[in-house]
Amino acid sequence: GENVEQHPSTLSVQEGDSAVIKCTYSDSASNYFPWYKQELGKRPQLIIDIRSNVGEKKDQRIAVTLNKTAKHFSLHITETQPEDSAVYFCAASLGSARQLTFGSGTQLTVLP
Amino acid sequence: DTGVSQDPRHKITKRGQNVTFRCDPISEHNRLYWYRQTLGQGPEFLTYFQNEAQLEKSRLLSDRFSAERPKGSFSTLEIQRTEQGDSAMYLCASSPTQGAITEAFFGQGTRLTVV
Repeated sequence: GENVEQHPSTLSVQEGDSAVIKCTYSDSASNYFPWYKQELGKRPQLIIDIRSNVGEKKDQRIAVTLNKTAKHFSLHITETQPEDSAVYFCAASLGSARQLTFGSGTQLTVLP
Repeated sequence: DTGVSQDPRHKITKRGQNVTFRCDPISEHNRLYWYRQTLGQGPEFLTYFQNEAQLEKSRLLSDRFSAERPKGSFSTLEIQRTEQGDSAMYLCASSPTQGAITEAFFGQGTRLTVV
């Protein structure tokens, strides 16, 4: 089955700096890669996603890049703010059922 | 809140007892998923329904676990003879059935503590 690895497990940045979180996946047939943000005690919420026919996608301060050849994808957050502090999960999806295989998460702390 | 709702939010049970959780997906979402999340880990897939049909089950779903979605709307997840290792957050998610890939919306989860 699919395996997703995520790094780093914790990341601290100063407010205004950029943050980058990286994930690798094992199954080359995976075709959908969402990123979820989970604040303490709350539900995971989708912040951005990318499909395998696209190399990069941006939404304001958030961007995701995908390298299908290397089987890795990354989340980039620019101009970080304290409210960006949360756990971020990457995921990969294979097949029409769209069940997600998640990475182990990155605790992002933005220091004011 | 018209999102995915789960009940109860918290459940404390003694080892060996049975528990049942409920998930109400977003209206008209055909697909419904159950995930389990332990502290410091990402959600792990348990099972998936399309309408009332249970189409996939993870090997994580032992014989003590059963899920149903009898009318293709709400779903229940039952754990029989609970063990301490079952303590986790149980998350439900739903998504519509479309040709393109669509977002899975998660509920707030049910936190199970087995004592």
